[in-house]
Amino acid sequence: AQSVTQLGSHVSVSEGALVLLRCNYSSSVPPYLFWYVQYPNQGLQLLLKYTTGATLVKGINGFEAEFKKSETSFHLTKPSAHMSDAAEYFCAVSANSGYSTLTFGKGTMLLVSP
Amino acid sequence: DSGVTQTPKHLITATGQRVTLRCSPRSGDLSVYWYQQSLDQGLQFLIQYYNGEERAKGNILERFSAQQFPDLHSELNLSSLELGDSALYFCASSLLSAGELFFGEGSRLTVL
Repeated sequence: AQSVTQLGSHVSVSEGALVLLRCNYSSSVPPYLFWYVQYPNQGLQLLLKYTTGATLVKGINGFEAEFKKSETSFHLTKPSAHMSDAAEYFCAVSANSGYSTLTFGKGTMLLVSP
Repeated sequence: DSGVTQTPKHLITATGQRVTLRCSPRSGDLSVYWYQQSLDQGLQFLIQYYNGEERAKGNILERFSAQQFPDLHSELNLSSLELGDSALYFCASSLLSAGELFFGEGSRLTVL
């Protein structure tokens, strides 16, 4: 079974500041890890994913995340926040098998102030 | 636009009623997933279908059922509705499991 813990239901940053959204996972098998973003009144959109290979994964809109097995973490970062980054972010995990569903964290709302 | 279409976008109904939510997956995607999103529970996986067959079941109530048709569209049926069923219901699709899911914009159900 897999589970995800996102630390902080809300994170506030100033425009131009570093964005750091934390995600820790639990998985009994090697995981696939994902970050999704949800803008108001929209569905979820994939930001980035880790399956195998390079542990530093780059995604859309300047976001990246690093898979750290020893820390069971997959934190999401962006060097400089933009007002348009304000949204809810979800970390998700699945088992790296052919047929495995995604388990989502409870989400972190990112607030960006001018 | 993810390519996943959900109808209706909004639905208001009364307790005890039954509703059907519809999902058309992206062209070529064989897997369809249903998720429920509420403020207190977050995103909860309900059920998955792959090419017409049930593949995985999550926290789906017995009052809820789903199916995937030969043309790969899916329907989620919610019956004997309760106030607590008010939520946003998402459909997602993928070509294979354990990969990227493409989400629709959701159906917002309000039970009064």
